[in-house]
Amino acid sequence: GAVVSQHPSWVICKSGTSVKIECRSLDFQATTMFWYRQFPKQSLMLMATSNEGSKATYEQGVEKDKFLINHASLTLSTLTVTSAHPEDSSFYICSARGLGNTIYFGEGSWLTVV
Amino acid sequence: KQEVTQIPAALSVPEGENLVLNCSFTDSAIYNLQWFRQDPGKGLTSLLLIQSSQREQTSGRLNASLDKSSGRSTLYIAASQPGDSATYLCAPYRAGGYNKLIFGAGTRLAVHP
Repeated sequence: GAVVSQHPSWVICKSGTSVKIECRSLDFQATTMFWYRQFPKQSLMLMATSNEGSKATYEQGVEKDKFLINHASLTLSTLTVTSAHPEDSSFYICSARGLGNTIYFGEGSWLTVV
Repeated sequence: KQEVTQIPAALSVPEGENLVLNCSFTDSAIYNLQWFRQDPGKGLTSLLLIQSSQREQTSGRLNASLDKSSGRSTLYIAASQPGDSATYLCAPYRAGGYNKLIFGAGTRLAVHP
């Protein structure tokens, strides 16, 4: 079946630095990818929709200058958390839309900002 | 705006029971609906996808039904096992302008031996 890979799985960064998370569709092309964040014991909150070759569409309340999304190819979308702060520590998950509009998720990335 | 509610929020049962997990959504103009499983600290695994024209889908011990007009879906788990312990999430998907999955809070299932 379709596979979505996220990297890194875990990352620790210092407050004020930036960190990039990659989301790749390994065996299919994805014109649309989605980025979610999830706090402990809470559901997934959609942050933005990433469209290949165009600007991402951000959900209300999500700072587009803080969470930079780039979808430069049909198999790769990146999320960069800029000037990270401890409150940005969370579980970030990407997903990609495949054939038949089935959505496939990556394994997620744990970000800890110290 | 799509809102998704899942009941119950948590469920703890002995092994072997048949289970019913409920999902309701406010916008019935959906393209399909997916049920996912999430293990602690992990990503999501797709369990079943029901197209809007379908009424149910089955995979092994799992059966999902969809009543689009009333905005409801149900996931049945037969003969539950400890390995079924996870959080189950439903997500209706509306294409064409909306184009994104909105999740409910999920049902946290614990199946004990």
